[in-house]
Amino acid sequence: QSALTQPASVSGSPGQSITISCTGTSSDVGGYKYVSWYQQHPGKAPKLMIYEVSNRPSGVSNRFSGSKSGNTASLTISGLQAEDEADYYCSSYTTSSIYVFGTGTKVTVL
Amino acid sequence: QVQLQESGPGLVKPSETLSLTCAVSGYFISSGYFWGWIRQPPGKGLEWIGTIYHSGSTYHNPSLKSRVTTSVDTSKNQFSLKLSSVTAADTAVYYCAREKGGYYPDFWGQGTLVTVSS
Repeated sequence: QSALTQPASVSGSPGQSITISCTGTSSDVGGYKYVSWYQQHPGKAPKLMIYEVSNRPSGVSNRFSGSKSGNTASLTISGLQAEDEADYYCSSYTTSSIYVFGTGTKVTVL
Repeated sequence: QVQLQESGPGLVKPSETLSLTCAVSGYFISSGYFWGWIRQPPGKGLEWIGTIYHSGSTYHNPSLKSRVTTSVDTSKNQFSLKLSSVTAADTAVYYCAREKGGYYPDFWGQGTLVTVSS
């Protein structure tokens, strides 16, 4: 099972909105609602930010939103803040009854 | 709130077996959910290793399947990972996590670095 494809880096200025894409196939992203997004600061464990395509866990800012169209899922961060600078990973359940992660995206706040 | 804590040797020799344990607090493993292991080589992305249910049912990454063993001890509220015949390529931060339905991890341990070196 191959890793999902994400852009290596995305950047934006404070207050702007950015979108990170996560491209898979009909065997993973396109076939299930189980797409999730994780934020990882350096030296820290990943933190769940979005689950089941567009749901936010309790305590996660509503500046984070998720969506999906076909085989591509997206994470949008609106009102970008310095604390949003981190690595972001998507994940999807697959037809092989396992889940796979994306290649990861480094978000830089200019 | 559920908390997970990995423990085990930080240094393993090549060809030996890596063994880690994940202690769970704030939730009884026997109550449900799936429990998994994920690793991250230095400077690289995340890789799912395997998942276990409290009943003992297991699911492992096909690329590692023959080397991975996972187990659960509900009496101690912990689960474990063994990875045999390790090489330098197995050097990584190893995370344990709770998994919602086996579909995605929702809570993670802090991670533990395991280095494979002689």
